[in-house]
Amino acid sequence: DGGITQSPKYLFRKEGQNVTLSCEQNLNHDAMYWYRQDPGQGLRLIYYSQIVNDFQKGDIAEGYSVSREKKESFPLTVTSAQKNPTAFYLCASSILPGVGNSPLHFGNGTRLTVT
Amino acid sequence: QQQVKQSPQSLIVQKGGISIINCAYENTAFDYFPWYQQFPGKGPALLIAIRPDVSEKKEGRFTISFNKSAKQFSLHIMDSQPGDSATYFCAASNTGSARQLTFGSGTQLTVLP
Repeated sequence: DGGITQSPKYLFRKEGQNVTLSCEQNLNHDAMYWYRQDPGQGLRLIYYSQIVNDFQKGDIAEGYSVSREKKESFPLTVTSAQKNPTAFYLCASSILPGVGNSPLHFGNGTRLTVT
Repeated sequence: QQQVKQSPQSLIVQKGGISIINCAYENTAFDYFPWYQQFPGKGPALLIAIRPDVSEKKEGRFTISFNKSAKQFSLHIMDSQPGDSATYFCAASNTGSARQLTFGSGTQLTVLP
């Protein structure tokens, strides 16, 4: 079955440590996205990528970094510079925007807790 | 101009009742308005979507009403069921924008048995 796999489901880290969240898709989608979800704030865009080796900052990119070395993979690193990293992180993919209807397909998220 | 405002934040409805969630947007360039449904511990999934050339779209018990002049759209869930209990997000985008969707803040719906 095609879909998006995020791992791990739960992640615990000490403050000051960098942590990388995995996102893999087998939908052959060109575009991939990372969102952060906090209670009462909806989904906020962190980074997005439309093509391998290229990505753009979203609304809340500070303290995060990404890479897109393969079409299927879009890992997110939460660095120690992110002041409030505890959140639910969602990865999504779609066909390129503007190419017909391009709904987002989401993974099941990674809940990161930093203490 | 990117903001999408969603209300109410939470909603409790009796089984069989109608659930109504409202959203308002500011950016007149938005031309795609989807609703996503999210169950606890899961990612959101597309429920229904509308484009501004129609004022209403219905899929089963779910209906989107769209008012272009008021820049508002709403989700109606008819005959609400306990299985509909979830968080609902409205969203909006400008087709062709690489940024994809701007999301509302979400509505937590509880349908009582």
